[in-house]
Amino acid sequence: GQNIDQPTEMTATEGAIVQINCTYQTSGFNGLFWYQQHAGEAPTFLSYNVLDGLEEKGRFSSFLSRSKGYSYLLLKELQMKDSASYLCAVRLYQTGANNLFFGTGTRLTVIP
Amino acid sequence: GAVVSQHPSWVICKSGTSVKIECRSLDFQATTMFWYRQFPKQSLMLMATSNEGSKATYEQGVEKDKFLINHASLTLSTLTVTSAHPEDSSFYICSARDLGTPIYNEQFFGPGTRLTVL
Repeated sequence: GQNIDQPTEMTATEGAIVQINCTYQTSGFNGLFWYQQHAGEAPTFLSYNVLDGLEEKGRFSSFLSRSKGYSYLLLKELQMKDSASYLCAVRLYQTGANNLFFGTGTRLTVIP
Repeated sequence: GAVVSQHPSWVICKSGTSVKIECRSLDFQATTMFWYRQFPKQSLMLMATSNEGSKATYEQGVEKDKFLINHASLTLSTLTVTSAHPEDSSFYICSARDLGTPIYNEQFFGPGTRLTVL
């Protein structure tokens, strides 16, 4: 089976930087996504990595190491509105479909 | 980005009844749609992959006779929860793949449907 792990909860201060880690053990890896989800809402796309290295997108950056089965999402200049769950999802190539399997999710609380 | 809608956004039903949830891609054609279930404070669990014009592919542990999926057109997939019970109460989210997106086949998520079975 697929195994994707994230810390359950994190707390950080407004204006600070926070790193959310994701480790995975899967078969047929075909990319890793990070999504943000506010309570009761659908996930929204943040970033995508398929090659090793860092992808930067404004205040958000995501890193991938395929050999280590490891990714992180870096949020800079935290704002109160960044309080949400952050989902790591691995895309697997299975029988012609590219399915997403989600990690446990990390609930981030930003405090003043 | 591409827009996916779901209807209804929330539903309350009695135990034993069936509930149909619609997922529509509004401005693109989706040959593949996905159905997820999310329990409180948990992550999304893929239930099934729905391909237009063919039978859905269900994940292990998901009862295909209980969760009926129909993908009759390139813009509409439906999930019917048959003979719903309180343990089926959950947040159901669909997503659709837009093959027109650049480089990677990103999934676009609907706003979700909150099902409560009394």
